Amino acid sequence: ETGVTQSPTHLIKTRGQQVTLRCSSQSGHNTVSWYQQALGQGPQFIFQYYREEENGRGNFPPRFSGLQFPNYSSELNVNALELDDSALYLCASSLVAANTEAFFGQGTRLTVV
Amino acid sequence: KNQVEQSPQSLIILEGKNCTLQCNYTVSPFSNLRWYKQDTGRGPVSLTIMTFSENTKSNGRYTATLDADTKQSSLHITASQLSDSASYICVVSPRTGGGNKLTFGTGTQLKVEL
Repeated sequence: ETGVTQSPTHLIKTRGQQVTLRCSSQSGHNTVSWYQQALGQGPQFIFQYYREEENGRGNFPPRFSGLQFPNYSSELNVNALELDDSALYLCASSLVAANTEAFFGQGTRLTVV
Repeated sequence: KNQVEQSPQSLIILEGKNCTLQCNYTVSPFSNLRWYKQDTGRGPVSLTIMTFSENTKSNGRYTATLDADTKQSSLHITASQLSDSASYICVVSPRTGGGNKLTFGTGTQLKVEL
């Protein structure tokens, strides 16, 4: 086990709704990154949070937003859900420095119907 | 065009055999190149991480190589086991931007059979 936990593990939402996914990072890690993985594809970088500030963003629209809390846990919020948002959402816990290990949670499987 | 491309897309081998997975990348400059193993519906698990100055790294039956000049990496699995059945993903961390903003390939789906 990586020590990174995500909740919920599975979720079904209706198009147009909003969703919040949660991630508890590994002890000692100050950085959380979120990834979206569509079926049969590699994960795509959404954004990263370091010390409660967004520290880089991938090619995702503003309806994807996030938060990081003082204990370094994090939330991913998605507004106005679309069918294409159906995917496995992964969070990764790490230190901010390059060449450090990133530990992934088990993911949240989101299905939008 | 994907910045990290892997081949083959899928592979079936017999238990006990060796195999080699390939990765070509265009991300430049980069801090490190990683290989992850991902079971279906689970989060990726790190196998190896190499900086641009390293050319080989081993982790048990897994050996990764890196040629930064040709921008190629490979993952060699020896004496395969049924539990090796998974997706193997090549991941590059760009040097610009800092932190662990990883660029993933689409993976090689490996199936090990009896």
